[in-house]
Amino acid sequence: QQPVQSPQAVILREGEDAVINCSSSKALYSVHWYRQKHGEAPVFLMILLKGGEQMRHEKISASFNEKKQQSSLYLTASQLSYSGTYFCGTEINTGNQFYFGTGTSLTVIP
Amino acid sequence: EPEVTQTPSHQVTQMGQEVILRCVPISNHLYFYWYRQILGQKVEFLVSFYNNEISEKSEIFDDQFSVERPDGSNFTLKIRSTKLEDSAMYFCASSDDGTGGLTLNSPLHFGNGTRLTVT
Repeated sequence: QQPVQSPQAVILREGEDAVINCSSSKALYSVHWYRQKHGEAPVFLMILLKGGEQMRHEKISASFNEKKQQSSLYLTASQLSYSGTYFCGTEINTGNQFYFGTGTSLTVIP
Repeated sequence: EPEVTQTPSHQVTQMGQEVILRCVPISNHLYFYWYRQILGQKVEFLVSFYNNEISEKSEIFDDQFSVERPDGSNFTLKIRSTKLEDSAMYFCASSDDGTGGLTLNSPLHFGNGTRLTVT
């Protein structure tokens, strides 16, 4: 049920770009992206819906390929504040089965 | 801005004891969720709740778990007989999705979590 994310971890220098992928074996209705800082709750970044446009949150954008059952998160010109664990969240079937992906740990260093 | 609140922030209990974790979702939200996160690991879906009943539950949510909305504001997770492996952070979340559950096109708002330690 749980989507698989890649890579598991990535280390970037400030200003570098990164891509995080989220893949599901089940048909998806929507994809959410969240970021979790150490010791804190996940915080919502964006939602992508079937047939919807690519979304953007500051310098972070995401795409959703419904046919491939995949989503990608693009972090451009990374900042130190981007550090954290990123989770995709996918809605399987309808509404109330909402599973988070395996997570990607992102560390941005000066 | 309205927020989801969870109490207590940290609960220590002995194996075999019952615990109740409490959550106050955002007041106009319709969908409620419990998730579990073992330290440093993935966020695991436990259960979703809509219209005063369980909508979906995962294989983790076995007979030792139950959820209730005892009044108009609180949403509780009860673990009947805790085990060592129940030690984790438990997050409550709510959403105001107004599409009748066809598509979750609203974000989940999370509480700060309850850290449960079973000794």
